[in-house]
Amino acid sequence: EAGVTQFPSHSVIEKGQTVTLRCDPISGHDNLYWYRRVMGKEIKFLLHFVKESKQDESGMPNNRFLAERTGGTYSTLKVQPAELEDSGVYFCASSQEAFLPNYGYTFGSGTRLTVV
Amino acid sequence: QQPVQSPQAVILREGEDAVINCSSSKALYSVHWYRQKHGEAPVFLMILLKGGEQKGHEKISASFNEKKQQSSLYLTASQLSYSGTYFCGTEIKLTGGGNKLTFGTGTQLKVEL
Repeated sequence: EAGVTQFPSHSVIEKGQTVTLRCDPISGHDNLYWYRRVMGKEIKFLLHFVKESKQDESGMPNNRFLAERTGGTYSTLKVQPAELEDSGVYFCASSQEAFLPNYGYTFGSGTRLTVV
Repeated sequence: QQPVQSPQAVILREGEDAVINCSSSKALYSVHWYRQKHGEAPVFLMILLKGGEQKGHEKISASFNEKKQQSSLYLTASQLSYSGTYFCGTEIKLTGGGNKLTFGTGTQLKVEL
């Protein structure tokens, strides 16, 4: 079974530019999450999709961040325009069904975003 | 609100034991534990759903005290491969439906020879 795939693995952009991150969850997983880890600190929740609907986007920092999940398959996270403080590792995770016993989230390897 | 983990960091010699604690200020539905190695994705270790539940994974086990809203991760006879950052994830039920997983502050564990 293929895992959660994220693209690109690294991105270096200048302040003010636009970047789009992509996440392909495990096939059949309705739940898709975006998290961010900044400067080796805690992993912070950004938002949660159930299929194509945004279940919870309370962690999105501001309106420069836009997430979509058209068709309920892959998701994109766009940052426009990027600021220096947006640098960090963006993780995507998916789960089959919210909170089945013994099932956790499967994480992708992350996209390391550096804004210079 | 983010759960708090303790200790923040720990160094062990191979074969030693360690306990990592996770405390939340909110009523919990479940607790997850993950381990992340540098530059890699966090890897799911286990989930605890009920108060008092204990789970085990190789020589790593965990308990969940629902009343105290605390969980502890026990690493026994540590191996070099246990090194990494351990995160607890606490799950709460949202009033509007659905659940939310919030990760703890993380505990850096290093196992040396």
